Formats: sequence, structure tokens, C-alpha cells
Amino acid sequence: KNEVEQSPQNLTAQEGEFITINCSYSVGISALHWLQQHPGGGIVSLFMLSSGKKKHGRLIATINIQEKHSSLHITASHPRDSAVYICAVSPADFGNEKLTFGTGTRLTIIP
Amino acid sequence: DTAVSQTPKYLVTQMGNDKSIKCEQNLGHDTMYWYKQDSKKFLKIMFSYNNKELIINETVPNRFSPKSPDKAHLNLHINSLELGDSAVYFCASSQDEGMTQYFGPGTRLLVL
Repeated sequence: KNEVEQSPQNLTAQEGEFITINCSYSVGISALHWLQQHPGGGIVSLFMLSSGKKKHGRLIATINIQEKHSSLHITASHPRDSAVYICAVSPADFGNEKLTFGTGTRLTIIP
Repeated sequence: DTAVSQTPKYLVTQMGNDKSIKCEQNLGHDTMYWYKQDSKKFLKIMFSYNNKELIINETVPNRFSPKSPDKAHLNLHINSLELGDSAVYFCASSQDEGMTQYFGPGTRLLVL
């Protein structure tokens, strides 16, 4: 069992829908990252958070440290949001430089 | 003005060869990383350097040797390439340990 689990693995939605991707982890962490991998392969870091909530444009990331759970939300989804979204954690007992990755959620937004 | 660049973008080579992948960042960051993404798209850290010093060395065959000539570069040399080395290799950097990481475009390695 991975230390980082994401759900769903695949998600297809209509343009405009509100999207939620979930990430659960089983270890103590110092930070959690959300990454976006485009169809061409490039990876972009979206958020790094250790508590609460962060917002950037139509993207919102939340984390509940007690429940070891984070969610990534996309409001007013658009076909250009189609990508693989990856959750990664920095284990607390190691130091922030090591990331353990989830297997990713493939999001497809249909026009 | 690419922040994190990797060369080459694609690398096709025969089993047994030795090859290098280069990574450069112009962000002034202190920490650099190498990740391997397998065929199932699973990312795994291989190495991390902070200020040219090795910080993380995961369970990676010693055929893989990272080299950091300066803070802005972290190159990955692979000896005696094997079929299982075929993957996409991503370089990344961060201001310091624990900061947001910026990824390079990836190097797709295919070993025949």
C-alpha cells in the first residue's frame, strides 16, 4: 500500500463542473504538494501547504492534518485543466527535501 | 529564460551504453533533485543535492551517479544502461529544502 493514495484515479467531467480530487496519506508530514502534469509531460507545482487552505485562481487546495487528508478543487473547470494531478508529501521524520508521490489522478474536461 | 532545463529531451540508446542527462536551473536555487517516472507514471525521487552536497540517495543502482559541478547544475550519469532504465527522468530545484519545487521538462530515455 502506498503511503500516498489519491482518488479518483480517473475523472471525466463536463466543462464548468466543480472538480474535487482527494489525497490521503499515512505518514506524518511537514508539507503536502499538489503538482500538475500536462499531456505533454511537463510538471508544474501548484501548491505547497502544511495547514489550512490556499487559493490560486480557480484552484483551491485544503489540508486536514489530523485526518491526514488533502483535497484539490477546481472551480468552473475548463478543457485546459485536463491533466494528471499528483499529490506528494514530505515526511516529517525525514526532512522537507524528500517527496513521496501518489499515483496521480487523470482529469479530462469535456467541452 | 527557462527556469529549469534538461538536455537532451529524448534519448534512445542501446543496452550497455553509458549516457548522461544534464540539468541546469537559473533560479538561484540551492537544492536540486532527480526523479524517475516509470511507465505507470509513478514518480520517485532518486537524488537530492543541496549546495553541491548529496542529501538524498535513494535505493538506486550505483550505475547511476549524480554530479553537481556547481549549484546551478545537477547532471545524471548512467553506466551500463539496462532495459529497465527506460523512463522519463525529471530534474527539479527549490530555493531551499522544504520550498516549492520547480520541475524541468523531463528527459525521455528509451533503452533498446
